[in-house]
Formats: sequence, structure tokens, C-alpha cells
Amino acid sequence: NAGVTQTPKFRVLKTGQSMTLLCAQDMNHEYMYWYRQDPGMGLRLIHYSVGEGTTAKGEVPDGYNVSRLKKQNFLLGLESAAPSQTSVYFCASSYPPRSGSVETQYFGPGTRLLVL
Amino acid sequence: SQQGEEDPQALSIQEGENATMNCSYKTSINNLQWYRQNSGRGLVHLILIRSNEREKHSGRLRVTLDTSKKSSSLLITASRAADTASYFCATAPNSGYSTLTFGKGTMLLVSP
Repeated sequence: NAGVTQTPKFRVLKTGQSMTLLCAQDMNHEYMYWYRQDPGMGLRLIHYSVGEGTTAKGEVPDGYNVSRLKKQNFLLGLESAAPSQTSVYFCASSYPPRSGSVETQYFGPGTRLLVL
Repeated sequence: SQQGEEDPQALSIQEGENATMNCSYKTSINNLQWYRQNSGRGLVHLILIRSNEREKHSGRLRVTLDTSKKSSSLLITASRAADTASYFCATAPNSGYSTLTFGKGTMLLVSP
């Protein structure tokens, strides 16, 4: 099993450009998440999905859009990149809660994005 | 806003010593999890402790949870250079929530 994979690993954008980050998981997880990690910070949730065709906003959703057309894929889009979106982006997936709340999340290796 | 706050922010020890990291949180939780992140890599789940548990062990890891103080600690015994990483606590709220809230992490350096 590949687990959670992310494409691309690294990208440089100019301000105003758009791009899509792809996350794929082969563990048949219902839940998928997009986080960003900035220096000295923990992970902040951007958007998440609790199933195919559903998405919800996290803590820092502005400037991002997501889509979950297939259960195994979760796409993160930046329509008009800004320097403030320079960050490392992590995707994660998990099973639905089995005892009232979310449990283990499995993370991808990350995508480093630099916006000039 | 972040729920969990780790302490200390950074910790430097010698191989063979024990490392203790603490996490404090603000609201009621269903469970608390600890993750490790090696430099430039994704997070890896280490251990989960539920709100009705007080202590849990996994190999060289020992986690305690004190819900009355809203705090948890992660103890790594007999540290190795390979334990050098950042460690994050993450809290799962009480029932009905689908997301975790991560702290800012403790950076652990284990010197040979």
C-alpha cells in the first residue's frame, strides 16, 4: 500500500497564478483533510471531507477551494496564489469516528509551495 | 485557534536520557493523540489516549492524561538519536466532531 500520496512535492508559483494539489489514498478512508504548516506553527486545518462529494471549511479556508469527486482523491485548489500562501501543505486521511470522535490520521509527505 | 500547547518548545538531551514533553488543552476532549514529524516529512501517529484512560504505554513511549488539569505528557525513555524530531499533540473534541486540533509542537534533539 502506498498510503497517502501527494502531488507535486514542490512547486513555485508567481502571485496570481493558480494550481491544484492532489492527494490520493489507498486505504479506503472516508475522511480526508488538508492542512498547512508554517514555521514555528502546528498544523492548521484548511478544508476537510467526510465522504465523497462532501467538503467543509476548517480553521483557515480563505483563498482555497477543494473537491472530493472520488473517495480516494481530495484536491486542494488555489485560484489566485498570494505570498501568504507560501507554506508546506499536508493531506491526511482517516476512518470515520468509531467511539465518538476522530481517531488516527494518516499523513502524506507534504507539498512545499513557494509563492513569489 | 490551537487547542493544544506543547511545552517545552525545544528540548535537547543526550542519547540514553529520558525526554518528557507536555501538552495542555482548553476544552473537553474525547481523545488526545501524539504525532512525530521528522524533518521534511509528514506526521506519523504515535499513540492515542482516551479521556477515560490515565496512562498508556507503547514500547519506549509512555503517555499520561489528566483531564482535571487538561494536560498530557509524553515520555520517551532511553532516547536514541533517531528520536530526533518534532512531537505534536492533537486533541479530538467530544462526540460529533470530525477534526483534530494540533499544537505547535516540541522539537526534540537527541545527541549521540
